[in-house]
Amino acid sequence: EPEVTQTPSHQVTQMGQEVILRCVPISNHLYFYWYRQILGQKVEFLVSFYNNEISEKSEIFDDQFSVERPDGSNFTLKIRSTKLEDSAMYFCASSNRLDNEQFFGPGTRLTVL
Amino acid sequence: GENVEQHPSTLSVQEGDSAVIKCTYSDSASNYFPWYKQELGKGPQLIIDIRSNVGEKKDQRIAVTLNKTAKHFSLHITETQPEDSAVYFCAAMPGVDTDKLIFGTGTRLQVFP
Repeated sequence: EPEVTQTPSHQVTQMGQEVILRCVPISNHLYFYWYRQILGQKVEFLVSFYNNEISEKSEIFDDQFSVERPDGSNFTLKIRSTKLEDSAMYFCASSNRLDNEQFFGPGTRLTVL
Repeated sequence: GENVEQHPSTLSVQEGDSAVIKCTYSDSASNYFPWYKQELGKGPQLIIDIRSNVGEKKDQRIAVTLNKTAKHFSLHITETQPEDSAVYFCAAMPGVDTDKLIFGTGTRLQVFP
């Protein structure tokens, strides 16, 4: 069964450093998303992406965040200058949008020290 | 904006019993309501969903009901098994102009053998 994959599973970084989180969506999906989950809290929407541009973003997704589809398979989330409060699980999801179903990857745990 | 409330936060049942988790939403334009199961260290897994034009949907031991008038929806798990133990999240998609998901706060379900 096709699934969303994410790398790395765990990323530790120093405050102020740049990180790139990588995702490989399900191959025939065209809609991509990033969500995050701070430990013990609800899953929060960050951004949606379609046709090589951002469709929608939340107030969390400020100028420090960017997304890119650098090739036909990868979808990345970049945080330019990490803050302590960026520590969270980051989930990538993808959808074919026909039936609204979004399928999530296993997540990347980001720890900012 | 849309807000999703979920209850209870924890639920313990004996194997074989039923479990019910309830969610309410605030935006009457919300039209899609998925339920996700999250096991420890994994990403949310879509287990069932319901659309606003349907009142009930069933898939083997799990069912979801939707009351549009009252703006609430529920997950029902019958004949619970220890492997049903996980955190369950409800979510809502607030309207046709967006495909972001707004999540509830989660319910930790424990099924005791």
